[in-house]
Amino acid sequence: EIVLTQSPGTLSLSPGERATLSCRASQSVISSYLAWYQQKPGQAPRLLIYGASDRATGIPDRFSGSGSGTDFTLTISRLEPEDFAVYYCQQYGSSPYTFGQGTKLEIK
Amino acid sequence: QVQLQESGPGLVKPSETLSLTCTVSGYSISSGYYWGWIRQSPGKGLEWIGSIYHSGSTYYNPSLKSRVTLSVDTSKNQFSLKLSSVTAADTAVYYCARDVSFDHWGQGTLVTVAS
Repeated sequence: EIVLTQSPGTLSLSPGERATLSCRASQSVISSYLAWYQQKPGQAPRLLIYGASDRATGIPDRFSGSGSGTDFTLTISRLEPEDFAVYYCQQYGSSPYTFGQGTKLEIK
Repeated sequence: QVQLQESGPGLVKPSETLSLTCTVSGYSISSGYYWGWIRQSPGKGLEWIGSIYHSGSTYYNPSLKSRVTLSVDTSKNQFSLKLSSVTAADTAVYYCARDVSFDHWGQGTLVTVAS
């Protein structure tokens, strides 16, 4: 199974700053089948990015994804107050699908 | 819009079978997509359990495969999860979602395994 390792575990930033979150896979992710999710307390995860770089419906363009192979990045260009949450990456190119352990984005 | 809603008991006794149903609205399961189950516990984070197609084709996480059964009822636009021989380690919030990159999720339901 593909293990996804996210870094950092916690990221402390201020609104208006740029956030860069990393997801590293233990082996190459087939066809860049890599997704990013945002989760707020008491809510289900929300799909942000699929196919490594395609924004899901209704997702603001301040969210962008990049990468291929084993290294992927989620960038939030200018943080809004509502962006502070936990972010997960997930690969769906190989069974079993696997998720990273999450990065908590907190207000500095 | 596509909406999913989990339902089922919130408390299950050890060694018994956990049973949950996901009701889909705003989209016909028969129109396509796989439909999946994911769980989230503090100890293990997000874990994909398995997915099912409207034809009944399934694929499971090998770590749970021996205990999991997925089924689908297209007439009710529902799909279901059964997890047998549960232990405290199966305590989690269980979500249903539209596969493959999970673009629509239910709100989740907490299932506690305890006597």
